[in-house]
Amino acid sequence: EDQVTQSPEALRLQEGESSSLNCSYTVSGLRGLFWYRQDPGKGPEFLFTLYSAGEEKEKERLKATLTKKESFLHITAPKPEDSATYLCAVQASVRGRGSTLGRLYFGRGTQLTVWP
Amino acid sequence: GAVVSQHPSWVICKSGTSVKIECRSLDFQATTMFWYRQFPKQSLMLMATSNEGSKATYEQGVEKDKFLINHASLTLSTLTVTSAHPEDSSFYICSARTMSNNEQFFGPGTRLTVL
Repeated sequence: EDQVTQSPEALRLQEGESSSLNCSYTVSGLRGLFWYRQDPGKGPEFLFTLYSAGEEKEKERLKATLTKKESFLHITAPKPEDSATYLCAVQASVRGRGSTLGRLYFGRGTQLTVWP
Repeated sequence: GAVVSQHPSWVICKSGTSVKIECRSLDFQATTMFWYRQFPKQSLMLMATSNEGSKATYEQGVEKDKFLINHASLTLSTLTVTSAHPEDSSFYICSARTMSNNEQFFGPGTRLTVL
């Protein structure tokens, strides 16, 4: 069964204190791994897509990396405005039993709080 | 680019009434759109996959007669919650998948409250 596990569930950082969020996955053939940011009461905002092990992508203070089993979202020198829930999702290239091809499997997210 | 809108952003209705939520891809065409619901402090739960010009595919446990989905064009999908009850109160979010690179972009969500 396809699964996505994110850790930690919650993370509190002081402004400027770099850290990493983890996303471990089990999927029948990875088609893509997605990172989103979600603010309270809003829909997820797209951040990155990673397709193959070894791939890295950067956007401002965020950097996403991918291995065959997990992805990391590195946050360098975070600011209070980076506070949000970060969601990881995987898309399988093979249809799982009873599932829809192309659907995303989401983790529970990591709630990040950056305080001044 | 890749903007998805939802309307309304919030709605309050009486028990037993039906509510329609629209999801539009504003600057791209989407043959596939997805409908999710999200409870407080929980992740997104996929309800159904909406394909343009064909019937929606519902996830296990989601009543297709209660949550009617129509995807009549490449930029619009609608979700109608029929005979709404208080337990249907939730945050409903749609997403649209680009045809070019398979990425999914989400709408801002619709907060439904059934009294």
